[in-house]
Amino acid sequence: NAGVMQNPRHLVRRRGQEARLRCSPMKGHSHVYWYRQLPEEGLKFMVYLQKENIIDESGMPKERFSAEFPKEGPSILRIQQVVRGDSAAYFCASSVGETGELFFGEGSRLTVL
Amino acid sequence: QKEVEQNSGPLSVPEGAIASLNCTYSDRVSQSFFWYRQYSGKSPELIMSIYSNGDKEDGRFTAQLNKASQYVSLLIRDSQPSDSATYLCATSRMNTGFQKLVFGTGTRLLVSP
Repeated sequence: NAGVMQNPRHLVRRRGQEARLRCSPMKGHSHVYWYRQLPEEGLKFMVYLQKENIIDESGMPKERFSAEFPKEGPSILRIQQVVRGDSAAYFCASSVGETGELFFGEGSRLTVL
Repeated sequence: QKEVEQNSGPLSVPEGAIASLNCTYSDRVSQSFFWYRQYSGKSPELIMSIYSNGDKEDGRFTAQLNKASQYVSLLIRDSQPSDSATYLCATSRMNTGFQKLVFGTGTRLLVSP
């Protein structure tokens, strides 16, 4: 009974490279959320997706960041031309409906050199 | 003013004592309230949700909500060293058709044997 699966768990990139983070929601969950957690800060909402649809991306920076949740396959959070300030833990969460009760993955920790 | 405020701690309690964690929020239209536990380097895990004023008990955990005072608390009875973690308070309200969670920065709890 797999929970929310994220990979890679750790990713190191040099400034200017691209980072791709993947998330497979729990079985039966069709709602996916991405949150970012910076050291000493709380979880910040980035984007909410359902299959093939971005429902709300109000927390996502307008440039360099994009997210998708295709009909087949995992949700992808893509960060282009990474900068040091992008270094953070990126958590994916899923839910069966819009209850607010989220199940989180183990996170992907991005380090930008 | 942050939307969700928590004392960062650490809150230190001896084993067997009651740990009291507090949270205030600024958005009066918040409808749902959650407590998540996050061990160091791990993902947040939902431990309690509360939607109406009063107390809600689940095992050793009791969540308390006072909407008039915009205050949520979590009591942990018979605290155990395994309860040592960061506790995140989150609120949500319907936003563009979904419940968008806003997290506090968390309170670090240390339970000493």
